Amino acid sequence: KAGVTQTPRYLIKTRGQQVTLSCSPISGHRSVSWYQQTPGQGLQFLFEYFSETQRNKGNFPGRFSGRQFSNSRSEMNVSTLELGDSALYLCASSLDFGGYGYTFGSGTRLTVV
Amino acid sequence: GQQLNQSPQSMFIQEGEDVSMNCTSSSIFNTWLWYKQEPGEGPVLLIALYKAGELTSNGRLTAQFGITRKDSFLNISASIPSDVGIYFCAGQGGTSGTYKYIFGTGTRLKVLA
Repeated sequence: KAGVTQTPRYLIKTRGQQVTLSCSPISGHRSVSWYQQTPGQGLQFLFEYFSETQRNKGNFPGRFSGRQFSNSRSEMNVSTLELGDSALYLCASSLDFGGYGYTFGSGTRLTVV
Repeated sequence: GQQLNQSPQSMFIQEGEDVSMNCTSSSIFNTWLWYKQEPGEGPVLLIALYKAGELTSNGRLTAQFGITRKDSFLNISASIPSDVGIYFCAGQGGTSGTYKYIFGTGTRLKVLA
């Protein structure tokens, strides 16, 4: 079966712009989580969605937001981009809220210039 | 953000050698996971552990859930060049106070042929 699909794979944006990243989970998976990965900070949790509701949120500013649709697909949005937002953004899906292991997508590499 | 401590941070080993790495936390976890990430890709789940003391193998990989529930270990036997990558541990639940997975800082493995 298809894995977790993230689009786009690569993105270059200018400071101050906004960006929307997309994640399609494995068919049947209802939970989607987002992580930011940087060399200095490692994997940092952004948020988790289940049944179109945000169930957990990490310590990121309000510029980072997300949503989940009825088909479990999820999007995350970053507004007013800063240079420090450059990172690999990873989406992970699991059957249910809270776990039993994530399956990660390949990520979206965002570069802010 | 909250992270687990992994050691070593990086290691160079000769092909055929055994590798050991560990992950420690101040929190007690109910679940431990081990992931491997290769360049340009998202982490891939290697082993999941759900019970203190549990020892689980996946091919040449063996992982253990520490008795104290505050640590976990991963061993790779007879390493091969394709074992190169970053290995992450992740813990969930317990006294961490959250259902979300908390990731370790990663161990970068390089195998010399």
